[in-house]
Amino acid sequence: GDSVTQMEGPVTLSEEAFLTINCTYTATGYPSLFWYVQYPGEGLQLLLKATKADDKGSNKGFEATYRKETTSFHLEKGSVQVSDSAVYFCALSTPSGGSNYKLTFGKGTLLTVNP
Amino acid sequence: DAGITQSPRYKITETGRQVTLMCHQTWSHSYMFWYRQDLGHGLRLIYYSAAADITDKGEVPDGYVVSRSKTENFPLTLESATRSQTSVYFCASSAPGALRETQYFGPGTRLLVL
Repeated sequence: GDSVTQMEGPVTLSEEAFLTINCTYTATGYPSLFWYVQYPGEGLQLLLKATKADDKGSNKGFEATYRKETTSFHLEKGSVQVSDSAVYFCALSTPSGGSNYKLTFGKGTLLTVNP
Repeated sequence: DAGITQSPRYKITETGRQVTLMCHQTWSHSYMFWYRQDLGHGLRLIYYSAAADITDKGEVPDGYVVSRSKTENFPLTLESATRSQTSVYFCASSAPGALRETQYFGPGTRLLVL
């Protein structure tokens, strides 16, 4: 079945450091790929997405490129801020019957950014 | 306010009690979903609904019941709560058409079963 594997945390960085959170996937067919972010005490928010190979999703300084050859969608940011402290989830979307799509999530990576 | 809301935000109950978690969205999205979030498991799908009166099981449906009489509401009921159902529950919805892959999440309900 479909699965997402992301690097285990927690990840602790200093402000302005470079961030990479690795994500690889296994899926039948041709999934769309997502990064969601969950700030403390809140629900998940869509951070960025990519729907086909070599697409780059970007938002708020975060980027991820859909790499079909390596089945990866690594999240990067050049200079993190304290406000980026959150849990980050990688996810993929595949058709699941009718017109529905099923989201499969990784287990999440906790990022803490210290001033 | 527009969006997706959940109530209550926090709930403490006892084993064997019936509990209903509410979810309401103002976007008229056709698809709605219930997930539970547990440490070490990420998010797991409990039930989903394609439209009013159409529901289907997800990955972990046992012990839960859903209904959807109106497009905007999707309540989740724990018929007889167990300690293993202590979790954070998230409702989500998605639009029809080309945007249906993207799901939008509510703020969550933290449930503690004693």
